[in-house]
Amino acid sequence: RKEVEQDPGPFNVPEGATVAFNCTYSNSASQSFFWYRQDCRKEPKLLMSVYSSGNEDGRFTAQLNRASQYISLLIRDSKLSDSATYLCVVKEVWGSQGNLIFGKGTKLSVKP
Amino acid sequence: GAGVSQSPRYKVAKRGQDVALRCDPISGHVSLFWYQQALGQGPEFLTYFQNEAQLDKSGLPSDRFFAERPEGSVSTLKIQRTQQEDSAVYLCASSLGRKFFGPGTRLTVL
Repeated sequence: RKEVEQDPGPFNVPEGATVAFNCTYSNSASQSFFWYRQDCRKEPKLLMSVYSSGNEDGRFTAQLNRASQYISLLIRDSKLSDSATYLCVVKEVWGSQGNLIFGKGTKLSVKP
Repeated sequence: GAGVSQSPRYKVAKRGQDVALRCDPISGHVSLFWYQQALGQGPEFLTYFQNEAQLDKSGLPSDRFFAERPEGSVSTLKIQRTQQEDSAVYLCASSLGRKFFGPGTRLTVL
């Protein structure tokens, strides 16, 4: 079983739609949680961190449920520029640094 | 530049050829990571350096893979006797806390 699992999609949605991505992780000792965005043939870039209290950044809302080991990302009023692959990421800490464990990614395509 | 740079950006190798991939981290970043991203997959951890010390190499898929960071700055990932399954994007990331990824080297082994 992969450590971080997410639906690969693709999710094809019209502009303005609300779309939600889900992710589960297997290691209950995971320390930190993130969503990264990766455009085609580009490197992953941090979109936002995820906290149990939930956090919002403009049209993006992320939520963590530690008991269920479940992470979500909600995108409201989707734009064409939101088209990308969204990677669910958990951080396992050892020493003073930690390694990132990536899911396979969920591909989003926003259409006019 | 201010970001992580990698070279070459693209590399085509014949099966059996040795390749060397270079990563220039952000100046002052102590930690450096290498990841392998196969087509349609998320990046997978290969190895980790703190300064010049390689603290974890558990993700290296075989003894054909070797990484070094002799002066605690630039790092090189070397793959000997490349195989077709080595075809992937090799990403380097550096950090003082938050990780910043380089653009990657796309390796194609024919």
